Formats: sequence, structure tokens, C-alpha cells
Amino acid sequence: AQTVTQSQPEMSVQEAETVTLSCTYDTSESDYYLFWYKQPPSRQMILVIRQEAYKQQNATENRFSVNFQKAAKSFSLKISDSQLGDAAMYFCAYRTPTGTASKLTFGTGTRLQVTL
Amino acid sequence: DADVTQTPRNRITKTGKRIMLECSQTKGHDRMYWYRQDPGLGLRLIYYSFDVKDINKGEISDGYSVSRQAQAKFSLSLESAIPNQTALYFCATSDLYENNEQFFGPGTRLTVL
Repeated sequence: AQTVTQSQPEMSVQEAETVTLSCTYDTSESDYYLFWYKQPPSRQMILVIRQEAYKQQNATENRFSVNFQKAAKSFSLKISDSQLGDAAMYFCAYRTPTGTASKLTFGTGTRLQVTL
Repeated sequence: DADVTQTPRNRITKTGKRIMLECSQTKGHDRMYWYRQDPGLGLRLIYYSFDVKDINKGEISDGYSVSRQAQAKFSLSLESAIPNQTALYFCATSDLYENNEQFFGPGTRLTVL
């Protein structure tokens, strides 16, 4: 079974600085998808960024980027120019390719605090 | 209007009561999911359905049942609620062709006393 590990229960960053959240996963599949979700205090789950395993290029969405290391099974999220609104729980998630077994496996989350 | 809605948003109930959480979606997606979120444990899959006639157990289905009444509706039932079912419950939907993204509802906070 696939597992997703987020080893940092809490992180803190100063406004305008850069922070990296770690995620590792375990799978025997070669084709899969990885996601980072943000959960602000409103508790809504918001997709931040996605990465397809077959793509070597790291995904980027504005201030959010990933460092995808397939061989190491590592998928970290970098937030640049941190803003107060980035304060939230962040979940890393893994998904097998589309098919009958396609469903998300989540990590335990990292709570990010943003300070002035 | 929200694409994925959940009712109720908050619910307090007593041990032994039957509870139904409802999920509706207007996205036209075939696939629907129920997750449970507990502090320190992330989200865990309870049940999922890939179409009206397809229901599958997730990793923590004991104590829960589901009903897919229509393509747009997927309900989660707790036949006899117990305190360790106190959690935040999310419904999600996805489409085969929409970049594999799952779209989440706003969540239901359930407290079992």
C-alpha cells in the first residue's frame, strides 16, 4: 500500500521569506500523481499544486513550486515571498493513475505559521 | 453556488444515534468520495463510488455505510454513532478527464457525545 509521510508537524516562516515543506512517499508504481493541498482555518481543502510523475519538470504555480525527486520518492513544496494568507495546514497527497484503484492517500499534514 | 455541498455543516449528536451526512455536486462528476479528518492523522478514505452502481470500501469503512442515490448525491451514514467517530468529514468528487483533481466540499464537523 502507498504511504505518504510529512515529517514536519509544524513550520514557521517570516513574512516575505521562503519556506520548504517536506513530503516523502512510498510506492511501487511508476506512474502516479502528487498533490499539495492547503487547508486554511475555514477548513476548505484547496489544491495548491500538482505533479505528474512522468514529467521531469517541476511544477510551478506563482509563488508555489515543488522539488520532485522521483528516485528518492520526495516531493517538497517551496513557498516564496510568504504571505500572512499562506498560514494553513498543508497536506501532501498521492494518487495512482486514473483507474479503478484511483484514490488519494494523504500525509498527516504540516501546520505553517507566518509571522510578521 | 458551490460545486460540492455538504449538509449539515456542523452536527452534535449522542452515542447510539443514527446520523446521515449528505453530499451533493453540480460538477457532473461520476466519482465521489468520503474522507474523515482527525488531528495528526490527515484525511483517510472511508468509501468511494465511481458511478451509481459502484460502491467501494476505503481504508476505514467499519461503522459507516453509504448510499449513492444519483450521480450527484452521495450520503454517508453512521448507523450507531460512537464518540471516536467525532471528526471532520469531507466529501469530494473527481472526473476521469479533469486532470485527476479531486474537488472537496466544505466539510461537516461531527461531534458524538
